[in-house]
Amino acid sequence: QKEVEQDPGPLSVPEGAIVSLNCTYSNSAFQYFMWYRQYSRKGPELLMYTYSSGNKEDGRFTAQVDKSSKYISLFIRDSQPSDSATYLCAVSRQLTFGSGTQLTVLP
Amino acid sequence: DAGITQSPRHKVTETGTPVTLRCHQTENHRYMYWYRQDPGHGLRLIHYSYGVKDTDKGEVSDGYSVSRSKTEDFLLTLESATSSQTSVYFCAISEERGRLEKLFFGSGTQLSVL
Repeated sequence: QKEVEQDPGPLSVPEGAIVSLNCTYSNSAFQYFMWYRQYSRKGPELLMYTYSSGNKEDGRFTAQVDKSSKYISLFIRDSQPSDSATYLCAVSRQLTFGSGTQLTVLP
Repeated sequence: DAGITQSPRHKVTETGTPVTLRCHQTENHRYMYWYRQDPGHGLRLIHYSYGVKDTDKGEVSDGYSVSRSKTEDFLLTLESATSSQTSVYFCAISEERGRLEKLFFGSGTQLSVL
C-alpha cells in the first residue's frame, strides 16, 4: 500500500465550478499536509500547507485535513482556466508525495 | 524558480553511457534533493543532501550517485544509463527537513535514454 494515494484524474470542469481534490494517507504519524501545484513543463510549487486537523483558507483555496479518516482535501472555489495544472498532495515528515491529479478548467 | 537552476534542460543519451545532471542554487539552503517524476508514480526521492559532502539515499537510489562539493551545487550521476531511467528529474531545496519541509523546485531536466 502506498503511503499516499491520490486519484490521478484527469479532472475537467467548467470555469466557475467548485473543485474538490482528495488524497488518503496511511501513516497516522504524519503531521504536516501540503498541496503543491505544478504547471505543464514546470517544477511543483507549494500552494498551501496545514498542521494536524482542520481547515486553512487562502483566497479561493481551502485545504482540509481529517486525521480520523486520514483524508486530505483541497477545494478550489470559482475555478479559473489559470488553475489548470496538476495538483500533488504531500505529507510530512520525510516528505511523501501523491501521484498528482491533473485538473483542466474550461473557459 | 526560487534561485534554482538545473542543467541541462533536455538530454538524450544512449544506454550504457554516463550522464551527469547539475543543480545550482543561490538561496544558501542547507538541504538539496533529487527527485524523478514518472506517470502514475508521482515524485520519488532519489538522493538528498544535508550539507557539503553529506548525502543520503532516497526511495529509488539504485543506479544513481550524487555529490555535493559546495553548498550551492548538487550533482546527480547515472553511471551507466538504462531505459528505465528515462524520466523528468527535479532538483529541490529546503531550509529544514523532518517536519515542515517547504520544498522549492527547479524547472526539471527531461532525460531520454535510448
